[in-house]
Formats: sequence, structure tokens, C-alpha cells
Amino acid sequence: DSGVTQTPKHLITATGQRVTLRCSPRSGDLSVYWYQQSLDQGLQFLIQYYNGEERAKGNILERFSAQQFPDLHSELNLSSLELGDSALYFCASSALAGGDGELFFGEGSRLTVL
Amino acid sequence: AQSVTQPDIHITVSEGASLELRCNYSYGATPYLFWYVQSPGQGLQLLLKYFSGDTLVQGIKGFEAEFKRSQSSFNLRKPSVHWSDAAEYFCAVGTGGFKTIFGAGTRLFVKA
Repeated sequence: DSGVTQTPKHLITATGQRVTLRCSPRSGDLSVYWYQQSLDQGLQFLIQYYNGEERAKGNILERFSAQQFPDLHSELNLSSLELGDSALYFCASSALAGGDGELFFGEGSRLTVL
Repeated sequence: AQSVTQPDIHITVSEGASLELRCNYSYGATPYLFWYVQSPGQGLQLLLKYFSGDTLVQGIKGFEAEFKRSQSSFNLRKPSVHWSDAAEYFCAVGTGGFKTIFGAGTRLFVKA
């Protein structure tokens, strides 16, 4: 158990819809990262927050947004969903702000867009 | 730009045989290097990491990796593979900025 909690574990929705994925980081970790894992793209970095502030952006689409709340949990919002958004979305947390920290991963949220 | 290359999409080894998974990175400075393992239906778990110092690092589950600056490589090794090692393995580079970049992964199959 990594200590990172992601909900929901599975989500099935239709194209054009909007979903919210939630992540609770490990106790004490201030950094939250979001990654998308798909068969054709591998593990893609989406965005990172540190103590409530956005710190780095990766290949995140404009239809996606995220935020980190004062209690440090984070949400990833995916809107106007397309079939290609079907993927496993991972949240990871770290005690450090930089890329030198070990990442602790949740078990992921599997999104299926029909 | 930083990048990580894992040349082997999948590898099959016999139980008890030795294993080496390859990883090459591209980064201008000395990177922070990691190997993670992902078992089916699970998130990624850290096996080992290299920041500085001894270029041969030991990790969990009997894995080790060697940093070779001249070859920009950080290959993962295990002397004797167990069936429970079947999983996907990811090499990653932490750039000292704010993001960790992962390779495409190598899926390890273990045959009896």
C-alpha cells in the first residue's frame, strides 16, 4: 500500500461527458503528479502541483484541468471526453517539489469512454 | 529535451536465469535516475534510485542498476529471476526541475 488513494477505480462514460478523478496523497506529501497511461502513448506526465500551486505541465490537453486543494488532495477534471481519452490515470505523490523525489503511485483510475 | 529510451518492449527469460533491462537517457546534466515496477492492476513501485556517488545501486527484491555516464545508461539487472518478477519495468529520469519522465516500459515474461 503506497498510501496514495485514487477514486474511482473504474469509470465508464460516454463521449462528450465530463468526469472528475480524485487523488489523496500520502500523508505529509506536498507534491501531486498526474500521469496518463495508455497502450499507444505509454506513461505520459500531465501536470504537477506542489502545496496548492501548479509547478509543471506536461502533455495535458486544454480539455483537462486539475487543482490541488488546501487539504492537499487533488482532482483531475476531464471534459468533452473523446474515445482516445480512454486510459489509466495515475496520481503520484512525493515529499519533494523537484524531480529528485521518489514518487508513490496510487492504483489508478481506469476511464473508459464509449 | 529530456528523454528516456527503453529499447526492449518485452523480454522473456527463464526462471533462474539472469536479467538485464536496458535504459538510456538524454539529459544535459547529471540526472536523477529511477527504476519502477508495475505489476498487473497495480500502480508503480520504486525499485531503486541513483542520485550520486557509487554508480552501482542496490534496490529491493534483489535488483541492482549501474549508472554509466559515458553511455548515458542505467541498466537494471538481477542475477536470478523468479516467476513473481513478471511485470512491467519503467526507467525514469528526474530532471531536478519539477517533473519525472518515464520510458515506454519493458514487459518481462518469465517462463518456467
